[in-house]
Amino acid sequence: EPEVTQTPSHQVTQMGQEVILRCVPISNHLYFYWYRQILGQKVEFLVSFYNNEISEKSEIFDDQFSVERPDGSNFTLKIRSTKLEDSAMYFCASSGDREGYNEQFFGPGTRLTVL
Amino acid sequence: AQSVAQPEDQVNVAEGNPLTVKCTYSVSGNPYLFWYVQYPNRGLQFLLKYITGDNLVKGSYGFEAEFNKSQTSFHLKKPSALVSDSALYFCAVVPRGYGNKLVFGAGTILRVKS
Repeated sequence: EPEVTQTPSHQVTQMGQEVILRCVPISNHLYFYWYRQILGQKVEFLVSFYNNEISEKSEIFDDQFSVERPDGSNFTLKIRSTKLEDSAMYFCASSGDREGYNEQFFGPGTRLTVL
Repeated sequence: AQSVAQPEDQVNVAEGNPLTVKCTYSVSGNPYLFWYVQYPNRGLQFLLKYITGDNLVKGSYGFEAEFNKSQTSFHLKKPSALVSDSALYFCAVVPRGYGNKLVFGAGTILRVKS
């Protein structure tokens, strides 16, 4: 069964450093998402991406964040200058269609720890 | 504001007994409704969804959920719980006509004891 993969599983970085979180969505999916979950809080939407463009982004997704599909398989989330409050579990997801009734398939997550 | 509430942080049930994990939502219009499950060190796995039609929807692993429009609820149920059902369960909604981002509840830990 196809699945979304994410690397690394755990990333530790110093405050102010840049990090890139990587995701490989399901191969025939066209819509990609990033969500995050701060410890003890709800899973929150960050951004959706289609056809090499951001479709929608939340208030959390400020200028420190960017997404990219650098090739035909990877989807990345970059945090330019990490802050302590960026520590969270980051989930990548993909779906085959942009319709809201289509389920999104999630990766196992990357735990980001900012020191 | 759109929100999803899962009023129970944890639900404990004995193996073989029926289980219910509660979810209510506050969203304008008629949203699409989802349940996801998360096992340790795994991503969120889709269980089931409600789009339209029959209020009782069936999903993976014997789970079902009942949509109640008047109570704005979408409770997850299973007639007979298994120890292997122990996991973290998330209710989520997508408001119709507002893109496709999922709005999640806080999650409910389900513990099934043998």
